[in-house]
Amino acid sequence: GDSVTQMEGPVTLSEEAFLTINCTYTATGYPSLFWYVQYPGEGLQLLLKATKADDKGSNKGFEATYRKETTSFHLEKGSVQVSDSAVYFCALGAGDMRFGAGTRLTVKP
Amino acid sequence: GAGVSQSPRYKVAKRGQDVALRCDPISGHVSLFWYQQALGQGPEFLTYFQNEAQLDKSGLPSDRFFAERPEGSVSTLKIQRTQQEDSAVYLCASSSPGGTGADLRPQHFGDGTRLSIL
Repeated sequence: GDSVTQMEGPVTLSEEAFLTINCTYTATGYPSLFWYVQYPGEGLQLLLKATKADDKGSNKGFEATYRKETTSFHLEKGSVQVSDSAVYFCALGAGDMRFGAGTRLTVKP
Repeated sequence: GAGVSQSPRYKVAKRGQDVALRCDPISGHVSLFWYQQALGQGPEFLTYFQNEAQLDKSGLPSDRFFAERPEGSVSTLKIQRTQQEDSAVYLCASSSPGGTGADLRPQHFGDGTRLSIL
């Protein structure tokens, strides 16, 4: 069945460092791909999405490109801030969405 | 309110008790989803409603789990004869109508109910 595998954490970075969180997927067809973020004590929030190959989703300085040839949807940000500390989830599909296990990011000043 | 509302925020129950978790979706959202999130894991799909119809319940782990949405708005997830392995955060999400195939509308999540079974 459809599934998502994402980079294990935790990830600790200094402020202004470059961030990459890897995500690869296995799916029949061409599902939509998502990144959700969960800040401490809060619910999941949609960060960005892409609905077809080569689409780039972007929001709050984060970007991810839907790569069909490598079945990947890696999350990147050029300069992280302390406020980006959270757990990030890659997900695919719609309806019965499939989530990765989450990657905890801690950004230190 | 503007978002998905879940109650209670925390629930502690003794093994064997029945529990009921409530979800109030965003007004106008026809699709409603329930997920179970174990500690340190991503959410796992439980069930999906479109209006009052339960279209997919393939993720419900056992017949002790039951969900309903009788009027197509508020939904209740009921767990009977709770077991310790039921301890998790239960998330509800809703999405607006429209979109098809790969462009279905993204889901908006509530803050979840943290269930602890003693």
